[in-house]
Amino acid sequence: SQQGEEDPQALSIQEGENATMNCSYKTSINNLQWYRQNSGRGLVHLILIRSNEREKHSGRLRVTLDTSKKSSSLLITASRAADTASYFCATDLYYGGSQGNLIFGKGTKLSVKP
Amino acid sequence: DAMVIQNPRYQVTQFGKPVTLSCSQTLNHNVMYWYQQKSSQAPKLLFHYYDKDFNNEADTPDNFQSRRPNTSFCFLDIRSPGLGDAAMYLCATSRDSNSYNEQFFGPGTRLTVL
Repeated sequence: SQQGEEDPQALSIQEGENATMNCSYKTSINNLQWYRQNSGRGLVHLILIRSNEREKHSGRLRVTLDTSKKSSSLLITASRAADTASYFCATDLYYGGSQGNLIFGKGTKLSVKP
Repeated sequence: DAMVIQNPRYQVTQFGKPVTLSCSQTLNHNVMYWYQQKSSQAPKLLFHYYDKDFNNEADTPDNFQSRRPNTSFCFLDIRSPGLGDAAMYLCATSRDSNSYNEQFFGPGTRLTVL
């Protein structure tokens, strides 16, 4: 069964605005990753946050993790048209183990209008 | 540049006609994954290889097989494609099976079944 659920399913904003996407998951995790997928392409890793971390930054990206609520958010600041893509959260399947299998959510489709 | 390559990018096959999708990597990673992604859905893990050790997901249909003849190459064989197998097939690699490793994805092969 699916582990991660992104919210909203689709988001449309103007260039320069901030975009926030949320992810909820069901079971305990070791870490949570965010990936980006341009239309018809493969996924690109954006950022990984460990279960003992609460916030992480990478350039215009800010990720938070709340393990008590089993949720994460991805904030893209000062969005650009090139940020138009689908964004997926992924969690590892085996808490406490070392298996690398990831479970992906359905994704948020972000559209940034120039 | 080190990368994950998938060929072909688009594959058309007939109902019931066996098809093979290929993936190669220049990253020298130990783990290779195959995902199936249907339109507007999450990538779903089919199976993965840790070196030569094959790991099949419990709900992967028997119709799907995989081969990894060496570190660089991995193949996805669909023995008798059905209409429901039309999807994007994504190959990914990671350095090892630890879930803290990011996965590197190829551009995908879009399979059409007529």
